[in-house]
Amino acid sequence: SQTIHQWPATLVQPVGSPLSLECTVEGTSNPNLYWYRQAAGRGLQLLFYSVGIGQISSEVPQNLSASRPQDRQFILSSKKLLLSDSGFYLCAWKLREGPYGYTFGSGTRLTVV
Amino acid sequence: DQQVKQNSPSLSVQEGRISILNCDYTNSMFDYFLWYKKYPAEGPTFLISISSIKDKNEDGRFTVFLNKSAKHLSLHIVPSQPGDSAVYFCAASGGFQKLVFGTGTRLLVSP
Repeated sequence: SQTIHQWPATLVQPVGSPLSLECTVEGTSNPNLYWYRQAAGRGLQLLFYSVGIGQISSEVPQNLSASRPQDRQFILSSKKLLLSDSGFYLCAWKLREGPYGYTFGSGTRLTVV
Repeated sequence: DQQVKQNSPSLSVQEGRISILNCDYTNSMFDYFLWYKKYPAEGPTFLISISSIKDKNEDGRFTVFLNKSAKHLSLHIVPSQPGDSAVYFCAASGGFQKLVFGTGTRLLVSP
C-alpha cells in the first residue's frame, strides 16, 4: 500500500533562518507531488506541484522554492523565512494518470518568530 | 481570484439531522470535484468525489450533488453525527494535474 511521510511535525524558526521540509512517498512510482499551505483562517493554497524529477510548477510567487531530487521525494525550502511564512504545510501525492488519489501527509506546523 | 468558494465559514446542526455544505466554482474547465474532511493539525482525508458527467454520487451517509449549469456542488451528510465535526473542504480539478481548494466550512454537530 502507498504511504506518504512528512516531517517534521512542528517547527519553530526565527525570521531570516532557512527552511527545509521533506516529503517522501512509498509504494508507488512516478507520482504527482504537491505542496499546499493552510494559513490561519484560510483555505488550502497550492504552492508547488511536480509531475516528475526536476519538474516543478510554481503556483504562487513567494519566498519559497521546491525541488524533486528523486522520484518519490519532494522538498520545500526557503533561504530566509518571513513571518508571513507561518502556517500549516501539507504534502500530497496522486497517481500520474486520472483524477484519483490526492492523498495528504500529516502536515508540518511552521511558526516563524 | 478564488476559483472555488465556500461561502459559509461555519455550520451548526444537531445530531441526526442533515448537514448540507455548499460549494461554488467559477472555472468551467473543472471536471472533477472532491470533498475532504480535516481535523486540526492533521492532513485532509478524502471523503467523496464526483465527475462532471454525473450529477450525484452517494457513499453511505455522504452524498454529493453537482449542478453544472449553476457551477454548484453540495455535500449532504445524513444523519449527522458528532464525529462528523471537522472542517470540510471542497476541491476541483481540471485536467487532473492539480486541485484547487475552497476556504473550508467548519461543521459542528451537537449531541
